[in-house]
Amino acid sequence: DAKTTQPNSMESNEEEPVHLPCNHSTISGTDYIHWYRQLPSQGPEYVIHGLTSNVNNRMASLAIAEDRKSSTLILHRATLRDAAVYYCILVPIGNDMRFGAGTRLTVKP
Amino acid sequence: KAGVTQTPRYLIKTRGQQVTLSCSPISGHRSVSWYQQTPGQGLQFLFEYFSETQRNKGNFPGRFSGRQFSNSRSEMNVSTLELGDSALYLCASSLGFTGADTQYFGPGTRLTVL
Repeated sequence: DAKTTQPNSMESNEEEPVHLPCNHSTISGTDYIHWYRQLPSQGPEYVIHGLTSNVNNRMASLAIAEDRKSSTLILHRATLRDAAVYYCILVPIGNDMRFGAGTRLTVKP
Repeated sequence: KAGVTQTPRYLIKTRGQQVTLSCSPISGHRSVSWYQQTPGQGLQFLFEYFSETQRNKGNFPGRFSGRQFSNSRSEMNVSTLELGDSALYLCASSLGFTGADTQYFGPGTRLTVL
């Protein structure tokens, strides 16, 4: 299974941008890069996904390296509500998402 | 549109018993996946169903089983419960299984085995 590597934790100040990195050097050509986040006492929530090109949505942006071996989730202005565990996951055809430990993001007021 | 619902939300069982958890996907979604979340092992994939067929299975013993009905609702069953089965069981639904499909998670069922 293709695996991802993320920092265990990161801190950010409120209203500042946050860049959450993810390494996935063994990614295969058909793997999509998905980001989910899990707030305390809730199920994971979809954030964004992409295949090769950078993606933007109302929640975040996803920057994918040209060789696809790494990606970065960008929260443009962190709020206290963005404090969560962020998971970077490679999703092949078949939907069996293999979660890693994720990055715990702390947002300081 | 209603989200993914899971019942019951909380459950307490004793070792050796069996348990059945239920998941109702978002209307129109045909793929349902199940996950187990524990503090020690994190989120682990159990299995995925599409159109009543199990398509993928994670690395769990045969005590863990599931099924999907023609209306896409899914159940998972754990037989001969062990203390280590105490966990949050999450269900997620999606339109398909292309890899590009977004999975929508329910709130989970918290199972405690005494």
